[in-house]
Amino acid sequence: AQSVSQHNHHVILSEAASLELGCNYSYGGTVNLFWYVQYPGQHLQLLLKYFSGDPLVKGIKGFEAEFIKSKFSFNLRKPSVQWSDTAEYFCAVNFGGATNKLIFGTGTLLAVQP
Amino acid sequence: DAGVIQSPRHEVTEMGQEVTLRCKPISGHNSLFWYRQTMMRGLELLIYFNNNVPIDDSGMPEDRFSAKMPNASFSTLKIQPSEPRDSAVYFCASSQGLPNTEAFFGQGTRLTVV
Repeated sequence: AQSVSQHNHHVILSEAASLELGCNYSYGGTVNLFWYVQYPGQHLQLLLKYFSGDPLVKGIKGFEAEFIKSKFSFNLRKPSVQWSDTAEYFCAVNFGGATNKLIFGTGTLLAVQP
Repeated sequence: DAGVIQSPRHEVTEMGQEVTLRCKPISGHNSLFWYRQTMMRGLELLIYFNNNVPIDDSGMPEDRFSAKMPNASFSTLKIQPSEPRDSAVYFCASSQGLPNTEAFFGQGTRLTVV
């Protein structure tokens, strides 16, 4: 079955610390990968996406993610977090094909302490 | 474009009542998704449409839930009868319908069933 896993449910960091959030999916075919962010009380917004090409993609607000096909992973990184990065982060995978189904991971709640 | 528009933003209803949530996707988008977000289960895909046709409704929890998309600019999610465990934030999202496009989310409807 197609699924998306985020292993970190809650992460607490101090400002300026580095961030890496894990995302794995189970599917051997071609996929399209996304990271979304949800700030408190708001809707989901796109951080970055990967469709093809360079597996290291850069998004907004200094975020980047690396697609490692052999590991079925698409981890999100930021070298130095800020208090304003406090939010919930969702990895999402479009499994494409005829169904265009977009599945989300369970999310990681990030709290950045000033 | 005004983005994905959902109404109402908040809904409080009594158990047993019918609830209808509404969504207007972005013009030109031909895929529409309904998600439910709860603390316990995260972001769950309920149903999605391509070109107004329901493609996959396997995420709909039970027969009390139904969704329609009578035209390209409008969709409804109905719960009849509602139960307290249906309390959640319901998001609608739309995309241009290809695997390598992102989904844009509405502001969500916060449903409380008492």
